[in-house]
Amino acid sequence: KAGVTQTPRYLIKTRGQQVTLSCSPISGHRSVSWYQQTPGQGLQFLFEYFSETQRNKGNFPGRFSGRQFSNSRSEMNVSTLELGDSALYLCASSPNGEGYTQYFGPGTRLTVL
Amino acid sequence: QQQVKQSPQSLIVQKGGISIINCAYENTAFDYFPWYQQFPGKGPALLIAIRPDVSEKKEGRFTISFNKSAKQFSLHIMDSQPGDSATYFCAARALGDSNYQLIWGAGTKLIIKP
Repeated sequence: KAGVTQTPRYLIKTRGQQVTLSCSPISGHRSVSWYQQTPGQGLQFLFEYFSETQRNKGNFPGRFSGRQFSNSRSEMNVSTLELGDSALYLCASSPNGEGYTQYFGPGTRLTVL
Repeated sequence: QQQVKQSPQSLIVQKGGISIINCAYENTAFDYFPWYQQFPGKGPALLIAIRPDVSEKKEGRFTISFNKSAKQFSLHIMDSQPGDSATYFCAARALGDSNYQLIWGAGTKLIIKP
């Protein structure tokens, strides 16, 4: 099976812009989670989607949003970008989101100038 | 308390030595404890996991030791190799508002010196 894919891999934006990141989970996986990773901050949970519904949400401002489509593909959007949003954004999928193994994509490296 | 505290933040070990990374938690309802390994430019990948009814699990050179009474678990890497240089995350499975989720430690950057 193909792994989790994320596009684009690298992105450069300027403050105030918005950005949309895409994630294609492993075939058959219905749960998609998003994480922000910055040096020294570890993995910060953004949100989880399961069957097109957001089930869990981390402690991020409303500028961060996401959605999931009927084919389980997911997108996350960040509006009004700030310098502090520069990070690696990771997507992870799992069959049913039961808190066991998560399969991560390679991430999208976002740089905000 | 939905937190997992991981230490140290970084670790340097000589080739052939033992690398030890520790995690501690408060929530006794956690019921599954995985360790993930992340290489530069890659996403984390499951390395090894343990349930609280077992005190130790070994897979090759990697061992999880689990101390339920102390609410601590640790990863031991025996005969550490330069290829083990990576960032390691511990995690714990917890019941959230409506479903289970993983609570993550802050990560440990491990460097194995040749």
